[in-house]
Amino acid sequence: NAGVTQTPKFQVLKTGQSMTLQCAQDMNHEYMSWYRQDPGMGLRLIHYSVGAGITDQGEVPNGYNVSRSTTEDFPLRLLSAAPSQTSVYFCASSIRPLDRNQPQHFGDGTRLSIL
Amino acid sequence: GDSVTQMEGPVTLSEEAFLTINCTYTATGYPSLFWYVQYPGEGLQLLLKATKADDKGSNKGFEATYRKETTSFHLEKGSVQVSDSAVYFCALTSPAGGTSYGKLTFGQGTILTVHP
Repeated sequence: NAGVTQTPKFQVLKTGQSMTLQCAQDMNHEYMSWYRQDPGMGLRLIHYSVGAGITDQGEVPNGYNVSRSTTEDFPLRLLSAAPSQTSVYFCASSIRPLDRNQPQHFGDGTRLSIL
Repeated sequence: GDSVTQMEGPVTLSEEAFLTINCTYTATGYPSLFWYVQYPGEGLQLLLKATKADDKGSNKGFEATYRKETTSFHLEKGSVQVSDSAVYFCALTSPAGGTSYGKLTFGQGTILTVHP
């Protein structure tokens, strides 16, 4: 049972570079989301998807793009990295949009540093 | 919009001490409330939840009671262990129509360190 798999675990980028954070789940979950975790601020929602072909913005979407071409994968793209995007990024999934009884399953995170 | 406020950390305790981590929330209607735990180097795991007023969630010796009158969901454990050292997050999600429907709104997290 792989659950939610994120790659890479660590990455260092220079300002202006682009990269894609990968997220895959093998639980056939419809709902997937990306959060960033910053000290003293908890987790903040970046983008989410309620199913293949459908994405929407969360609380802090600027500077990030997502797509959902398959149920399994939900990559997060940084088009032009900025130091303010230094953070730990978590991908999560659940059977359907979160309701009272469906917890989200989280990946182990990607620690990203922008120099 | 919805929000969650946790007590400031970090919290440092000796083994077998009593633990309380305060959590209060602001939300419309009747949100569901959660505590998540993050062990070092890992993602978040659901620790416990409560979906209606006066519900008590419990797991691994941890408990939290949904208090609608005080909009609180404080986490407690009677006797902590070194293995409980982690970051604890309080979170909520709204029912359909609410600001946080389909999403988790998190508190800022509380770092707990337990010494032998």
